[in-house]
Amino acid sequence: DAGVTQSPTHLIKTRGQQVTLRCSPKSGHDTVSWYQQALGQGPQFIFQYYEEEERQRGNFPDRFSGHQFPNYSSELNVNALLLGDSALYLCASSSLSGAVANSGANVLTFGAGSRLTVL
Amino acid sequence: AQSVTQLDSQVPVFEEAPVELRCNYSSSVSVYLFWYVQYPNQGLQLLLKYLSGSTLVKGINGFEAEFNKSQTSFHLRKPSVHISDTAEYFCAVSTGGFKTIFGAGTRLFVKA
Repeated sequence: DAGVTQSPTHLIKTRGQQVTLRCSPKSGHDTVSWYQQALGQGPQFIFQYYEEEERQRGNFPDRFSGHQFPNYSSELNVNALLLGDSALYLCASSSLSGAVANSGANVLTFGAGSRLTVL
Repeated sequence: AQSVTQLDSQVPVFEEAPVELRCNYSSSVSVYLFWYVQYPNQGLQLLLKYLSGSTLVKGINGFEAEFNKSQTSFHLRKPSVHISDTAEYFCAVSTGGFKTIFGAGTRLFVKA
């Protein structure tokens, strides 16, 4: 059973460019969350998608946008890249029906991440 | 709003010694609590979770944590650590819904 898969694993961009990161959730999961993890820090919540809609958003500018497809996979897009966008971007999937079974908790399964370097 | 504070950024410990990684949270409503582990160049792996019921929860790799509502803490413990436990550990809190908040992490370094 494949877990959460992310692509690409590493990429290098220059300031001002745009990037798209991709995520396939764990089989049976319908919800995708995106996190940014800067070096030496904890993951910071960007946003979460369920039923192809952004359901909640963290404190990130509009340069960060996303999409969820009918097969539950998701993309994270970042426009006008800044040096400070260099980080590990983590995708996590979860299941709404699983949340019901877990007393309402949203238990996340993470991918290995996409490491973005902005020069 | 919820927040998580991990009280130690680094914890060095000798192999086979016990360890405790401290976590405090802040929330005005009931919470779900988690510990995740991150090995170098990898994503996060769930160690254990507190959802409801018994305040002592057991996880993988011999780790356990105790939920203390009065002290708003969820400290992670292991009675005897191994070299392979060297990793970054993250405490996280959720109130259900769509958002999980993570602490800044504690780097556990196990020395031979």
